[in-house]
Amino acid sequence: KAGVTQTPRYLIKTRGQQVTLSCSPISGHRSVSWYQQTPGQGLQFLFEYFSETQRNKGNFPGRFSGRQFSNSRSEMNVSTLELGDSALYLCASSAGPLNSGNTIYFGEGSWLTVV
Amino acid sequence: SQQGEEDPQALSIQEGENATMNCSYKTSINNLQWYRQNSGRGLVHLILIRSNEREKHSGRLRVTLDTSKKSSSLLITASRAADTASYFCATVFAGGTSYGKLTFGQGTILTVHP
Repeated sequence: KAGVTQTPRYLIKTRGQQVTLSCSPISGHRSVSWYQQTPGQGLQFLFEYFSETQRNKGNFPGRFSGRQFSNSRSEMNVSTLELGDSALYLCASSAGPLNSGNTIYFGEGSWLTVV
Repeated sequence: SQQGEEDPQALSIQEGENATMNCSYKTSINNLQWYRQNSGRGLVHLILIRSNEREKHSGRLRVTLDTSKKSSSLLITASRAADTASYFCATVFAGGTSYGKLTFGQGTILTVHP
């Protein structure tokens, strides 16, 4: 069974640009959540999608958005990139929603560098 | 802000020794999960322990949970150099009107010297 797959693994963008990251969950999993990891702030929750609906959102500006498709694949978008958006972005999937008590599995992450 | 805190922040031991990491959290939980992260990589799931469980084992890993103290510990026995990584605990807030967010401790950086 394939794990959580994130693409691209590495990317470099310029300030002001936008970026789209993709996540394919484990087959059969309907919850996808996204996280930002930086040395200063650690691992922070961005948002969760379940059955194409955003269930919860972390404390991030509106430049961070996401969506989930009918096949449970998810994308997150960051618009008007800032230097501080440079981070490892992690996607996770689980069979049920985050608060259902299921094991939550993570992908390898997408390294974003904003220059 | 992070829901949990872990200590120690860094731990350096020799191969063969045991490593114990602690995690504290602030709110009631459904379960607590431990993860390992090698430098620059994703999170690898280690163990999930439910709020009605007190102890769980998986190979060389032993996790305990004390809901009265809102704390958990991860013990790695007979450590190996390959165990060198950062270890995080994570919880989902249970209850209230929130759908829940997975929140992490700051992590413990474990270094195992050969």
